[in-house]
Amino acid sequence: DGGITQSPKYLFRKEGQNVTLSCEQNLNHDAMYWYRQDPGQGLRLIYYSQIVNDFQKGDIAEGYSVSREKKESFPLTVTSAQKNPTAFYLCASSIGGDFRRVDEQFFGPGTRLTVL
Amino acid sequence: QQPVQSPQAVILREGEDAVINCSSSKALYSVHWYRQKHGEAPVFLMILLKGGEQKGHDKISASFNEKKQQSSLYLTASQLSYSGTYFCGTPTGNQFYFGTGTSLTVIP
Repeated sequence: DGGITQSPKYLFRKEGQNVTLSCEQNLNHDAMYWYRQDPGQGLRLIYYSQIVNDFQKGDIAEGYSVSREKKESFPLTVTSAQKNPTAFYLCASSIGGDFRRVDEQFFGPGTRLTVL
Repeated sequence: QQPVQSPQAVILREGEDAVINCSSSKALYSVHWYRQKHGEAPVFLMILLKGGEQKGHDKISASFNEKKQQSSLYLTASQLSYSGTYFCGTPTGNQFYFGTGTSLTVIP
């Protein structure tokens, strides 16, 4: 079955620690995205990648970092510089990343990060 | 930059209709609609493109007014499974913005 996997589903970390969230897709999609969702809020774009070895900042990239070394993988690191990291993190992918069209995005199940 | 949706919340009885609106202050190339159930990932419903092209769900319809920078999602003969939060999304510049969300609850 094709899809997007994110692990783990729940993650707890102490304040000041970096943490990396995993995102893998086997849909052969070029574009991948990371969103953050806070309770009762919409999704906000953190980073996106339209092609391997290239990525762009979204509106709220501060305190986060990403890499795109393989087409199927787009891990997100939440660094200690992120002031309010507790949130629901969603990874998505689409066939292409042309922002004038942006095909439908397929979402992973999400990782709920809690920083204590 | 974030599209504004209205209403914020709506409660329907099964079989009733609803309209959800999405408005942007920026020119729109396309409008996307997603539904998210509590604690789950958003699921794609529709894409509407400039020029009238549409792609998506058979049982849901939507409109896209490019001049007014608005889109509306029409849910007819609502079912219990339609409950969730509906988000519109639009690419603007080199970003993708999701709207403020509309919570829809369908009761028996």
